Formats: sequence, structure tokens, C-alpha cells
Amino acid sequence: NAGVTQTPKFQVLKTGQSMTLQCAQDMNHNSMYWYRQDPGMGLRLIYYSASEGTTDKGEVPNGYNVSRLNKREFSLRLESAAPSQTSVYFCASPSQPGGEFGGYTFGSGTRLTVV
Amino acid sequence: KNQVEQSPQSLIILEGKNCTLQCNYTVSPFSNLRWYKQDTGRGPVSLTIMTFSENTKSNGRYTATLDADTKQSSLHITASQLSDSASYICVVSRGGQAGTALIFGKGTTLSVSS
Repeated sequence: NAGVTQTPKFQVLKTGQSMTLQCAQDMNHNSMYWYRQDPGMGLRLIYYSASEGTTDKGEVPNGYNVSRLNKREFSLRLESAAPSQTSVYFCASPSQPGGEFGGYTFGSGTRLTVV
Repeated sequence: KNQVEQSPQSLIILEGKNCTLQCNYTVSPFSNLRWYKQDTGRGPVSLTIMTFSENTKSNGRYTATLDADTKQSSLHITASQLSDSASYICVVSRGGQAGTALIFGKGTTLSVSS
């Protein structure tokens, strides 16, 4: 999806391993978001960053940490992966400056499996 | 509780036929309602955004309606194509809730067959 790039696309972890999901946006927007999508459930907000240097918890933050490295990049870290974190992770940023009244651009997702 | 309910959960139609997807919400205060299309293995892509004052909005063969009084929205797809096979997600934005504003429905999975 144009404007938001996520890496990696796929990852398999063993329980207890750590990893960082990377997200970068080239739309020069302040806000960035991390969501997870599970079967039969709507997307749920993990963490968000309203601007560079700030981060806040969303609906399901437990087991995750985030870093807003600069305006472009917002990373999501799993310090000790658990099977319950098996999911598809999406990074998003508003499609327009000021964001809440515009659409969101989503990355293509990271499919994570924890065994 | 802020919720977005979509129906049906899944739908199968023949190519060329029309269909309508439903979205009911109990989000307050209401800011706007969005419909997204999500192809398998991809991120959601915005189809339409509707504010409180808008009743109907079209994007090609997609037409969204909003009844803010009954808190219902629909997405009508005309002359369906195989490429319309996807999940359609209704998303409602809460006013004054920067960052945590979006409430997502679980989506309707549409399959268009030839």
C-alpha cells in the first residue's frame, strides 16, 4: 500500500524469542498506529504515536513495546513472544494531514506465527 | 459500549449481481464512518468516508449510505466482479478521541463466483 511500508512480511518465532516489526511512512504525517488483526475479530489498536517523541497505549498493549524513532518510523517490539501474539500486524498512518477526518493508509501487514 | 456490528458475516454471489452489506454502530460521539476493502493478504484500503451530514456517497460501483438517526450504514456493490472478492470492513470514528478514535467491525467476507 502506497505510503506505508512494513517489514518483514512473514515471521515465525519460537516462544520466548524477541523481534521488532518495522514501519515507515513517507507521507510526512505526525500520527502512526500499530494494529493487530485476528480471525473473527476487528482490528485492535496496540499502540499509537500522535507525534514524534510520543507514544500511547491502545486497546491491547500488553506484551509489546514501541519506539517512534523519528517522524517516518514507528517500530513494534515483542520482547518475549507468546503463542497468543500469533496474528497479522498492520501499521497505519492518516492519508491526509490532521488525520482523523481522512482515511488511513495501511501497510501490507506482517504475518507472525509464534510456536 | 462502542461497537460496530456488520452483517452478513459472509456472502457468496454470482458475477454481475448486486449486493448490499450492512453496518450498525453504537459509537458515541460520532465523527465519521468509513468503509474499507481488504484483499486477502493485504492491508485495508479506503473506499469511502462519510460524515454526519452525508447520506450517500459513491465510489465507482460502490455506493455507501448513512442514516445517522438509526446509526446504520450500508455498502451497495453494483454489477459485481471477481475482483470484488474481499473482506469489507466498516469503521466508525469517535469524535474528540485522537489516537484511539477508530472502532472496527469484524468485516463481511464477499466471494464473487463466475
